[in-house]
Parts: sequence; structure tokens; C-alpha cells
Amino acid sequence: EPEVTQTPSHQVTQMGQEVILRCVPISNHLYFYWYRQILGQKVEFLVSFYNNEISEKSEIFDDQFSVERPDGSNFTLKIRSTKLEDSAMYFCASTLLQGTDTQYFGPGTRLTVL
Amino acid sequence: AQSVAQPEDQVNVAEGNPLTVKCTYSVSGNPYLFWYVQYPNRGLQFLLKYITGDNLVKGSYGFEAEFNKSQTSFHLKKPSALVSDSALYFCAVRPLPSGAGSYQLTFGKGTKLSVIP
Repeated sequence: EPEVTQTPSHQVTQMGQEVILRCVPISNHLYFYWYRQILGQKVEFLVSFYNNEISEKSEIFDDQFSVERPDGSNFTLKIRSTKLEDSAMYFCASTLLQGTDTQYFGPGTRLTVL
Repeated sequence: AQSVAQPEDQVNVAEGNPLTVKCTYSVSGNPYLFWYVQYPNRGLQFLLKYITGDNLVKGSYGFEAEFNKSQTSFHLKKPSALVSDSALYFCAVRPLPSGAGSYQLTFGKGTKLSVIP
């Protein structure tokens, strides 16, 4: 069964450093999403992406964040200058269509900012 | 704005007993409701969803959920719990799509289910 994959599973970085989290969505899917979950809190929407453009973003997704689909398979989330409060589990998701399609999630990347 | 409440942080149930994990929601318009499960070191796995139609929705691994519009609830149920059902369960909602509406999911905080042998 096709799955969303994410790398790395755990990333440790120093405050102020740039990090790139990588996702490989399900191969024929067209819509891509990033969510995050701070420890003990709710899963929160960050951004959705379609046709090489951001289609929706939350107030969390400020200028420090960016997303890219650099090739036909990867979908990345970049945080330019990490802060302590960026420590969280980051989940990637994808769907074939929007509408009533189900979002399928990857296993997550745990980001720890020291 | 849409929101989801999962009133129980943890639910304990004996193996073989029925289980219920509660979820209530708030959304403008008709809801589109989901349950996801997260096992340790795994991602969010889709269990089931409600769009329209029959209020009782059946999903993976013998789970089902009942949509109750008047109570704005979407409780997850299983007639007979297994130890392997022990995991973290998330309820999520978004409005039914209409035009350029939002497709983001709003999640509850999660409920940890422990099935005791």
C-alpha cells in the first residue's frame, strides 16, 4: 500500500540554524500539506500546496517558513532560522484531489531546537 | 472558526469490552469528520470518515463512528476492544468543500486508549 514517507525521523538543531524537512507524498497525489504538533498539544495546520503554489496557510506559517516541491517526488518544509518554540513533530500529508478526499499522513519528523 | 474537543485525555478499557472515544465538534456549515489513529513511532493512520448519508460509519480494524448532528458529536466505537487497539486517537473536522473553501483539517488534542489484558 502506498505511503507518505518523511526524513529524517528526528532532527536536532541549534537555535538560529536552518532546517529542511523532507517528505515523499504518495506518487499520484496532487495536493500536499504540512501540519505540526507541539508536545502535548493539538495537531495544527501549517500550509497546503498545489500546482507549485501555496493554496492555503495558517498564521503559524510566517516568513521563516517556506515550502517547495523541488522535483517530481519530494515536498520540503524549510525553517530559515529555528526558534526554541519550533520544536515539534512535523507531519506531511497528501491527497489525490481536494474535495472529499482523505489526507494521508507520513510518520512525522521530530524537530528538537536547542 | 472550526474546533474539535476530545474531552478525555485517556480511556482505559478491558480487553473484550466495548470502547467509546468521544469527540464533539464545531464548524460552519455541514461537517466532514475523520478519525485517525497514531501508534508509537508511526504517522497518523486514517480510520474512517463521515461525509453524508448513514450516521453510522464503518472503518478499518472493526471501528465505527456515529455522527449525531443535534449533539455535534462523532464518537468512535468498537464492540470488542483488543490489546492491539492501544494507541492515540485523533478526531478531525473541516467544512464540506464549497468553492474556494478551506481544506485544512482541525484536530482534537487526542485521546490515549489503553486496552488492558
